[in-house]
Amino acid sequence: QKEVEQDPGPLSVPEGAIVSLNCTYSNSAFQYFMWYRQYSRKGPELLMYTYSSGNKEDGRFTAQVDKSSKYISLFIRDSQPSDSATYLCAMSGNQFYFGTGTSLTVIP
Amino acid sequence: SQTIHQWPATLVQPVGSPLSLECTVEGTSNPNLYWYRQAAGRGLQLLFYSVGIGQISSEVPQNLSASRPQDRQFILSSKKLLLSDSGFYLCAWSPLRQGYYGYTFGSGTRLTVV
Repeated sequence: QKEVEQDPGPLSVPEGAIVSLNCTYSNSAFQYFMWYRQYSRKGPELLMYTYSSGNKEDGRFTAQVDKSSKYISLFIRDSQPSDSATYLCAMSGNQFYFGTGTSLTVIP
Repeated sequence: SQTIHQWPATLVQPVGSPLSLECTVEGTSNPNLYWYRQAAGRGLQLLFYSVGIGQISSEVPQNLSASRPQDRQFILSSKKLLLSDSGFYLCAWSPLRQGYYGYTFGSGTRLTVV
């Protein structure tokens, strides 16, 4: 079983839609949860960072962590074409793990 | 502020040729440094990490090696490239060994071995 599972997509939505991206994990020792955004042919950039369970909001982006279910989510409200990218979840405890990424396209 | 530089952005090399990719970090001291390879649909694969000058840990045995000659310089090398070495190589740094606070990545090098 992989430490982190992420649906690779691709996901295609119309502009203005609410996007939900998810990851599941198996290691209950993970305490730090991150979302990275990667544009084509660029390095990933840290988008949001959450410690332990709960929600964190930053503009149109909301990160949720449910440690009891070992499930994390990233919600994008009012999605824009500029949100088109690959989104990678990441988490750490004793080690650092990345998901494989979900490719998102927002259609104008 | 901290910045990370990685070059070249694109590289096409023949099979059997040597490789040298360089990464430097500015604005911080004693960073932890990482080399990742990213293949389409397969996520990020950690190749090497370093917690200090001359200290290199290899995660995956392969045709590549890494060196850290200076505190903020990390080099990925190969003596003879294989076709399977093609991919997108990313350098990253973090202020803490376990990367609790996330990594900062360079812009990447797309390597094509022909």
